Amino acid sequence: GENVEQHPSTLSVQEGDSAVIKCTYSDSASNYFPWYKQELGKGPQLIIDIRSNVGEKKDQRIAVTLNKTAKHFSLHITETQPEDSAVYFCRGSQGNLIFGKGTKLSVKP
Amino acid sequence: GAVVSQHPSRVICKSGTSVKIECRSLDFQATTMFWYRQFPKKSLMLMATSNEGSKATYEQGVEKDKFLINHASLTLSTLTVTSAHPEDSSFYICSARGLAGSSYNEQFFGPGTRLTVL
Repeated sequence: GENVEQHPSTLSVQEGDSAVIKCTYSDSASNYFPWYKQELGKGPQLIIDIRSNVGEKKDQRIAVTLNKTAKHFSLHITETQPEDSAVYFCRGSQGNLIFGKGTKLSVKP
Repeated sequence: GAVVSQHPSRVICKSGTSVKIECRSLDFQATTMFWYRQFPKKSLMLMATSNEGSKATYEQGVEKDKFLINHASLTLSTLTVTSAHPEDSSFYICSARGLAGSSYNEQFFGPGTRLTVL
């Protein structure tokens, strides 16, 4: 089955700095790459996604980049704010919908 | 758009009782619903996938007789934890996906249900 690895598991940044989270996947047939944000006690919310026909997608302070050759995609958050503090998950796009193990992002004011 | 609700948000029950959790897509028709379980500080684990009107497909290691899933309509799926035990205590999250080709053809997650079995 597909394997999805996410790094780092925890990330602490100062407010205003950038944060980058990376996921690697094993299934070369994957064609859809979403990122989710989960706040404490809540369900995950889709924040950005990208399909395999593009290399980058941006939405205000967040962006996702995709490297199909290397089989990895990354979440970029610029000008981080305290409200960005949450757990972020990537997800595989095939079969049994495997989530990465999550990255706990802490943004310090 | 694409709102998914879950009820209840929290439930505490005694060991041996059954608990039903509802998942509703409020503004779109969900042809497929997914049920996940999440332990503290852990990722989401897919338990089962259900398509409207048909039996759910359970992931390996998930007891289908313990976790009963019903997807009787395009807007409602239920998960019943039967004869609950303390080890069933967890955060249960559903997600719903709409028709292929529609703007809802992606997973939209509910807010989760915290189950505590005493």
